[in-house]
Amino acid sequence: EPEVTQTPSHQVTQMGQEVILRCVPISNHLYFYWYRQILGQKVEFLVSFYNNEISEKSEIFDDQFSVERPDGSNFTLKIRSTKLEDSAMYFCASSGWLAEAFFGQGTRLTVV
Amino acid sequence: GESVGLHLPTLSVQEGDNSIINCAYSNSASDYFIWYKQESGKGPQFIIDIRSNMDKRQGQRVTVLLNKTVKHLSLQIAATQPGDSAVYFCAERGDSSYKLIFGSGTRLLVRP
Repeated sequence: EPEVTQTPSHQVTQMGQEVILRCVPISNHLYFYWYRQILGQKVEFLVSFYNNEISEKSEIFDDQFSVERPDGSNFTLKIRSTKLEDSAMYFCASSGWLAEAFFGQGTRLTVV
Repeated sequence: GESVGLHLPTLSVQEGDNSIINCAYSNSASDYFIWYKQESGKGPQFIIDIRSNMDKRQGQRVTVLLNKTVKHLSLQIAATQPGDSAVYFCAERGDSSYKLIFGSGTRLLVRP
């Protein structure tokens, strides 16, 4: 069964450092997303990406965040200068047109 | 991927009984709804979806009911099994957006 894969599973970084979270969406999907889940809280939308550009983003997705699809398979989330409050699980998801989103297993980001 | 929260509602059921998990959604313009299951350390897993032109949809052992009048969604799990123990999230999507807005989640505990 096709699945969304994310690497790494756990990333520890020092405050102020840049991190890149990586995702390989399901191959025939067209829409890509990043969500995050702070421990004990609900899953929150960050950004959606379609046709090589951001289609929608939330207030959380400020100038410190960026996304990229550098090749035909990877989808990345970059945080330029991490803050303590960026510590969370980050989930990548992908979907087809008007279809349900499938989520990866997540990357646990810990900022120290 | 833990979604344990100090204030997460919990439903405890006996193995073999039916479970009903409820969700109130916020946006009357939402036209698509999904139930996700999240096990500890994992990403949200798609269970079942329903569009706003329907009020009931059935899957394997699961049924989703939608009441647009009161903006209420429910997930019914028949013959609940220990493997059903997880946190369940409802999510809604508007007709002009692909982003999902997640509810707070309900923890389902299945007693053997």
